[in-house]
Amino acid sequence: DQQVKQNSPSLSVQEGRISILNCDYTNSMFDYFLWYKKYPAEGPTFLISISSIKDKNEDGRFTVFLNKSAKHLSLHIVPSQPGDSAVYFCAASSGDYKLSFGAGTTVTVRA
Amino acid sequence: DTAVSQTPKYLVTQMGNDKSIKCEQNLGHDTMYWYKQDSKKFLKIMFSYNNKELIINETVPNRFSPKSPDKAHLNLHINSLELGDSAVYFCASRLIWGNPANTGELFFGEGSRLTVL
Repeated sequence: DQQVKQNSPSLSVQEGRISILNCDYTNSMFDYFLWYKKYPAEGPTFLISISSIKDKNEDGRFTVFLNKSAKHLSLHIVPSQPGDSAVYFCAASSGDYKLSFGAGTTVTVRA
Repeated sequence: DTAVSQTPKYLVTQMGNDKSIKCEQNLGHDTMYWYKQDSKKFLKIMFSYNNKELIINETVPNRFSPKSPDKAHLNLHINSLELGDSAVYFCASRLIWGNPANTGELFFGEGSRLTVL
């Protein structure tokens, strides 16, 4: 039973354009959301997070938007760069000890 | 310098064997995890330890036995390996949730790819 869903397994975007990654969740108790980035043969690394009391958090080229009523969050990367090509995981926590992850979206940035 | 390190990185073994994966973190964290990434790429939590005490056990078969000798180490021992155990196993750590210094993120190791033949 996946409580965090990333319905797009892949995304291809031109360098310099915006990448938009989507994530939906089902557990209304989730109150903290994170995005992780993963390169092949490496562990996931933290990218950006947002608390449920906010609807937007920005860090350089990365912005995460949270729509609690829709149980939806998105990650915007602008402008996209070739080094952004990776798998992006959405994760959520309800203040307990564990993070629940989505299945990931593979982003390919074309030159 | 590696914050969360796992060994071995690759492990190929026969069905029925017993194997272990070790994990160490030098971040001063008090909570450690094992996650499994299966063939469908889902990252699923298996276990979590806080200060050497088991706090999460997500319906993992008894063949999997985590061991935490101290809060900087969390090892995973697997008995009687089966084909379905083939996956990438990730160790992770963070500060306990109630700690004000906790930013919520997990720090992951590079993963240990287990292949059972």
